[in-house]
Amino acid sequence: GEDVEQSLFLSVREGDSSVINCTYTDSSSTYLYWYKQEPGAGLQLLTYIFSNMDMKQDQRLTVLLNKKDKHLSLRIADTQTGDSAIYFCAVLQGGKLIFGQGTELSVKP
Amino acid sequence: SAVISQKPSRDICQRGTSLTIQCQVDSQVTMMFWYRQQPGQSLTLIATANQGSEATYESGFVIDKFPISRPNLTFSTLTVSNMSPEDSSIYLCSVEDQRTGAFFGQGTRLTVV
Repeated sequence: GEDVEQSLFLSVREGDSSVINCTYTDSSSTYLYWYKQEPGAGLQLLTYIFSNMDMKQDQRLTVLLNKKDKHLSLRIADTQTGDSAIYFCAVLQGGKLIFGQGTELSVKP
Repeated sequence: SAVISQKPSRDICQRGTSLTIQCQVDSQVTMMFWYRQQPGQSLTLIATANQGSEATYESGFVIDKFPISRPNLTFSTLTVSNMSPEDSSIYLCSVEDQRTGAFFGQGTRLTVV
């Protein structure tokens, strides 16, 4: 089945850019998503990209998709302390969402 | 986007008891999904709940342990039965739109003591 991998931790300084990476195994995945989970909260959908796109930008967020390498990344420009959270990538495969383990982003002032 | 309300938001339960979690959506949806997030882990799909039919369970999850009801197109319940400390998790319901992704309730944080 589908396997989605993320690095577990990322630490950046406030104002820097953050890049969170995700790899997946199933090339037939149609939609790919990024979710944010703040402590004690549910999941918030941040953005998504369709598999025929290479890039999608939404304000401070940029999603890059490399289908050949099955690599997805989320770039957060001008990272703020409020961006500290766990970020999950997820891929839609066979009508089901498969989640990565989550990357804990720590933003230091 | 759908608005999803889950109740309770958290609970502490004795082992051996059962807890029923409710999920209400502000619009009619065909499928609703129940996930479990164990401490420090990612989300795992428990089952898919369709209105008018039995839920479809993922590998490792069984109806006797996690019975699900889906009485109408806006509501579903998940029961965690005969609980043990290993069931301590966040349980989330969601509705999914293939184009825009899944929308989640705020989750139910369950602690079994």
